[in-house]
This record gives sequence, structure tokens and C-alpha cells, in this order.
Amino acid sequence: AQRVTQPEKLLSVFKGAPVELKCNYSYSGSPELFWYVQYSRQRLQLLLRHISRESIKGFTADLNKGETSFHLKKPFAQEEDSAMYYCALSALQGGKLIFGQGTELSVKP
Amino acid sequence: DGGITQSPKYLFRKEGQNVTLSCEQNLNHDAMYWYRQDPGQGLRLIYYSQIVNDFQKGDIAEGYSVSREKKESFPLTVTSAQKNPTAFYLCASSTSGRGEQFFGPGTRLTVL
Repeated sequence: AQRVTQPEKLLSVFKGAPVELKCNYSYSGSPELFWYVQYSRQRLQLLLRHISRESIKGFTADLNKGETSFHLKKPFAQEEDSAMYYCALSALQGGKLIFGQGTELSVKP
Repeated sequence: DGGITQSPKYLFRKEGQNVTLSCEQNLNHDAMYWYRQDPGQGLRLIYYSQIVNDFQKGDIAEGYSVSREKKESFPLTVTSAQKNPTAFYLCASSTSGRGEQFFGPGTRLTVL
């Protein structure tokens, strides 16, 4: 079964601390994985995708096929990083996205 | 802020009524999607369409219906058969096949 799991509903850190948002997936084929972010009162938007291997706003994510994980990391969290983060997997059928439950990141001053 | 638009932003419905949520895109994307967002449950796929005049059920299609008569438009009807329709509804579009989806601002539906 295709599934994305984000084990933490809420992650609270202090400004300047490292942050890691966990994402595990189950998928029988070759996955295409994304992190989407939803800031307060803004629409859901793509943060990064594993294919591009970019660093966006200081965030990185590495696909670990052995552990079936795609954790999102940032070495020094900023208050403006506070948002809802969703990990998503793109299924072959129809290009639809399978989302995790989401993790709310709260960065305190 | 074009790209993909949804209307209305807020919608109130009485029990037993059908309502239609609008989704329009000017990105020339072939594929369009409807998701439902509930706290603690992430986004769940309701319906999707890869091409005009064709659409498929997603994971939670019961109580919903869609049409895709134009490439730009993918309206969602929430019928009275949907048992728990109060939620935030998101529309998305993408070029055909796998890849990034672009999301609209959402419609919050409340059943009174």
C-alpha cells in the first residue's frame, strides 16, 4: 500500500536550534517525494522535491531508500519557518499526491 | 495572484443542500485535483482529472461529484449524501503525469 507517515503532529523548537521533520513512506516503485509548506493564511506551496536536490530557505531533504525516509532538515530554525509542513509522494497513477498527516512547526523566539 | 483560483472563499450550507465549489486555472495544465483538508488528517484526494471529459475517483469520493467540460475548470459538487462535509477544500493542477502540483487558496465549507 502507498502511504506517507509523519509521526509528529507538532514540533516546537527555539530560534536558532536545528530542526528535523520526519517523513517515512511505503511505495512499491521508484518514489518521487515532495515537501509542501503552508504558512498562515497562504496557500499550500512546494518547498522542495527530492529530484532537484536543492536547498530552499535553508531546508534540505535526502531520500533514503533503505530506510524509506525523506526527512526535512534545517540547521538553524527561524521564526518565519513556523508553518504546517506536509510530506507527499507522487503515485504513478494519475500523478496524484499522497500526503502525510502534516507536522506543525512552531519556532519560538 | 492568478494561476489557480477557487471560489467562494467561505461557503455555508444547510443540511440537505447540494453546493458547488469552483476551481479555475490559467496554467494550461492538463491535470486537476480536489483534496479535502481536515486537521490531523492531512490532505485526502476526492477526485482527479487528467484530461478534459475524463475523471477518476480518489480515496474519499463518496458524496461528491465533479465535471471536467473545459480544460480550465474543474468544479466540485458536495451533495447531501456527504455525511461530514464541513472541511477545507483545496483544488490543484499539474502538467500531466507526475510532478509538482499547484494549489488554489481553498474554500472553507461549513454545514449549518
